[in-house]
Amino acid sequence: DAKTTQPTSMDCAEGRAANLPCNHSTISGNEYVYWYRQIHSQGPQYIIHGLKNNETNEMASLIITEDRKSSTLILPHATLRDTAVYYCIVKTPRHNEGGKLIFGQGTELSVKP
Amino acid sequence: DTEVTQTPKHLVMGMTNKKSLKCEQHMGHRAMYWYKQKAKKPPELMFVYSYEKLSINESVPSRFSPECPNSSLLNLHLHALQPEDSALYLCASSQQQGAGTDTQYFGPGTRLTVL
Repeated sequence: DAKTTQPTSMDCAEGRAANLPCNHSTISGNEYVYWYRQIHSQGPQYIIHGLKNNETNEMASLIITEDRKSSTLILPHATLRDTAVYYCIVKTPRHNEGGKLIFGQGTELSVKP
Repeated sequence: DTEVTQTPKHLVMGMTNKKSLKCEQHMGHRAMYWYKQKAKKPPELMFVYSYEKLSINESVPSRFSPECPNSSLLNLHLHALQPEDSALYLCASSQQQGAGTDTQYFGPGTRLTVL
C-alpha cells in the first residue's frame, strides 16, 4: 500500500503558487520522498525528490518538515500546462521491496485562468 | 536526455492474438520496469529487470511475458489477454534498481485495448 496521503483535488489560479501537501507519517529514516506528475494519458514525469533538506530545481521546490512526516511541493508560478495529477511517493530502499515506486491516488491539480 | 520510447502508441488486439510491446532507452540505465495503469487509477508495478535479469514479478498472470534482450531494450509479450487487461502500459528505466536516489524515468505508454 502507498505510504502517503494527499488531497484528492486542488485548484490554483494561473500565475499563483501551487502548494501541494503530502502526509507520510510512517516514513523511515532512509526513505526518500519523490514527486511525479502525470498529464492526462501521458507517462508520469519526474519532478523532484528529497530526503531531509529542502530541494529546488527548475520545475519546483520541495519542502520537507523537520520530523519528515509531511512535505509540500511548490510550483512557484502555475500555468495551465501544470494541470495534472501529482503523485507524492515514499520510495522504498533497495533491501526492502527493491526500491519500488508505489503510487497512491495523487492530487488532481487544476490550474484555472 | 531522459527519454524512454515506447512502441506502439496504441494497440488493439483480440483475445486470441499474440502481440508485443517494446520499450527502449539509451541512457545507460541498468534497471527497467513495466507498469500497468487502468483508467483513473495510479500506475501499478508489474515487472522489474535489473542488469537484464528479472528482479521482481508482482504476481502477474502468465499471459504477460516480459523479456529484456539487452540493457537498452525491454519487451512485453502478450498472449490470450482478456478485455480487463485493457490499460495504459508504461515502461520506465533507472540507473540502478533500488538505490535511494535512483530516479525512474517513464515513457509515454502504450494504450492497449483488448476486444
